[in-house]
Amino acid sequence: GAGVSQSPSNKVTEKGKDVELRCDPISGHTALYWYRQSLGQGLEFLIYFQGNSAPDKSGLPSDRFSAERTGGSVSTLTIQRTQQEDSAVYLCASSLAGTSGTDEQFFGPGTRLTVL
Amino acid sequence: QKEVEQNSGPLSVPEGAIASLNCTYSDRGSQSFFWYRQYSGKSPELIMFIYSNGDKEDGRFTAQLNKASQYVSLLIRDSQPSDSATYLCAVNPYPGGGNKLTFGTGTQLKVEL
Repeated sequence: GAGVSQSPSNKVTEKGKDVELRCDPISGHTALYWYRQSLGQGLEFLIYFQGNSAPDKSGLPSDRFSAERTGGSVSTLTIQRTQQEDSAVYLCASSLAGTSGTDEQFFGPGTRLTVL
Repeated sequence: QKEVEQNSGPLSVPEGAIASLNCTYSDRGSQSFFWYRQYSGKSPELIMFIYSNGDKEDGRFTAQLNKASQYVSLLIRDSQPSDSATYLCAVNPYPGGGNKLTFGTGTQLKVEL
């Protein structure tokens, strides 16, 4: 079956512009996660969705970052007024339930964001 | 202190040898532990998870967990050049609801011919 998909695969933008990153989770997965990976850094948790609600937004670095999920499926991560430090690979993952400590998370291919 | 620590490597092993990758974590209440493999330019893929003390084997891979010492390791037997990648240790610090993972920065493994 289809895995997690993300679009665009690459995004180059100018400082100060807004960007939207999209994630399509595996069909039937109720939990969805956004992470980002900066050069030389580990994956950094951003936000977690259970269905359409986000019980944990603790990783969002500033109020320029927001995310939503609709229909319990597609999610969009929006970064407003992008800064150069936002440059990273943004990874989306989904899991079946998200309520089990052993729930396996499957990652999408990521969106590489470059802010000039 | 980082929540999840790994030696960045590179760890070089000859083909056919056992590669041993280690990870320590700071939150004693952590319940489950994951090993992901990440090839350069690719996204992480799950290799194994473990949540009970002891060993868990899956093919050439064995995960080991010692909650008292707060470390988890991954052994790769009969290492192959295709195993060359960065291995990420991830910890779920929250029992129950949610599956937010805290990742280490990864250990780069090089399997040499």
